[in-house]
Amino acid sequence: EADIYQTPRYLVIGTGKKITLECSQTMGHDKMYWYQQDPGMELHLIHYSYGVNSTEKGDLSSESTVSRIRTEHFPLTLESARPSHTSQYLCASSEYGGFSGDSEAFFGQGTRLTVV
Amino acid sequence: GNSVTQMEGPVTLSEEAFLTINCTYTATGYPSLFWYVQYPGEGLQLLLKATKADDKGSNKGFEATYRKETTSFHLEKGSVQVSDSAVYFCALLTRGYGNKLVFGAGTILRVKS
Repeated sequence: EADIYQTPRYLVIGTGKKITLECSQTMGHDKMYWYQQDPGMELHLIHYSYGVNSTEKGDLSSESTVSRIRTEHFPLTLESARPSHTSQYLCASSEYGGFSGDSEAFFGQGTRLTVV
Repeated sequence: GNSVTQMEGPVTLSEEAFLTINCTYTATGYPSLFWYVQYPGEGLQLLLKATKADDKGSNKGFEATYRKETTSFHLEKGSVQVSDSAVYFCALLTRGYGNKLVFGAGTILRVKS
């Protein structure tokens, strides 16, 4: 069973509010990722991190920001939520394996965000 | 760039039917390949993986073989069950520090009893 946790599972919030989605893993993985999943199921990488103090933008532009102050923690923040941010957000982590190949990615259960 | 192409769904089958979900990829180097499954309301779970050419990943009756010559990693199961209804994602991960996990668009599988 994967040891990666996301909170909250569901969040309904008003436009303009600041929100933070939490993601924690207890596996000591260096790499962590945030994906946004649209209603059509497709996964879009919005942020990733290779380790502490490392954050990178993903393939899909996002108004959210992330931080990686501790290995186990990779929170995602929206300073001012809008209805267009309504989506499912999935956090994942993997162990860097160099050229032998990384471990598979382990996913949290996701946060379903609705901005009204 | 790196990419994964999956067959479009939804795929609707009767119980005990044979399943194939096609997946092809484009990547630099020699990626690891994965199949993930997502049940309703859940995150993704690893179903199986293969890390080099000709490797066969298998789990819960599902199989996929890493075919370098055809750049494919098709998912198969000999006899599907209603409980297999889910969304299936093919993914690749290239090697090295700068790699990222790249997913296909996902394929919905519906199994009828």
